[in-house]
Amino acid sequence: DSGVTQTPKHLITATGQRVTLRCSPRSGDLSVYWYQQSLDQGLQFLIQYYNGEERAKGNILERFSAQQFPDLHSELNLSSLELGDSALYFCASSPGMDRITTTDTQYFGPGTRLTVL
Amino acid sequence: AQSVAQPEDQVNVAEGNPLTVKCTYSVSGNPYLFWYVQYPNRGLQFLLKYITGDNLVKGSYGFEAEFNKSQTSFHLKKPSALVSDSALYFCAVRPPYGNNRLAFGKGNQVVVIP
Repeated sequence: DSGVTQTPKHLITATGQRVTLRCSPRSGDLSVYWYQQSLDQGLQFLIQYYNGEERAKGNILERFSAQQFPDLHSELNLSSLELGDSALYFCASSPGMDRITTTDTQYFGPGTRLTVL
Repeated sequence: AQSVAQPEDQVNVAEGNPLTVKCTYSVSGNPYLFWYVQYPNRGLQFLLKYITGDNLVKGSYGFEAEFNKSQTSFHLKKPSALVSDSALYFCAVRPPYGNNRLAFGKGNQVVVIP
């Protein structure tokens, strides 16, 4: 168990809908990362937050957004869902430091499996 | 931009034999390299990382990896494979500057045959 929790484990929804995925980082970790794992794209970095602020953006669609709250949990919001958004969404956390890059290890949660019908 | 290549889709090995999972990388500057393992319906578990120093890195569950700068490789190894090592293995890289995003390879399915 990495200490990173994600809810829900599974989510089934319809095209055009909006969902929210939730992540609680390991105790003491300030950085949260979101990744998408799909069969065709593999594991792709979406976005990173550090202590409530966005730090880096990857291949994240404009229909997707995220935030990190004062208690450091993070939410990934996916809207206007399409069939191609079906994937496993992972959250990871690391201690983070108040500078851009560190030697931190990212520890991953169990993921949320999203199925769009 | 950084990238990782894991050339084999599946690695089959007999239980008790040595296991090697190959990884080559491309990144500007000295790389930070990681191996993760994913069991069915589970998240990614961290195995080991190379930041600097000794080219041979030891990690969890008896795994080790060798960093080779001239060949831009970071192959994962285990001297004696167990059936329980059957899983999906991912290599990842990021540069020592900029942000902390990891670039992952496509993953290698390892099947250990009893």
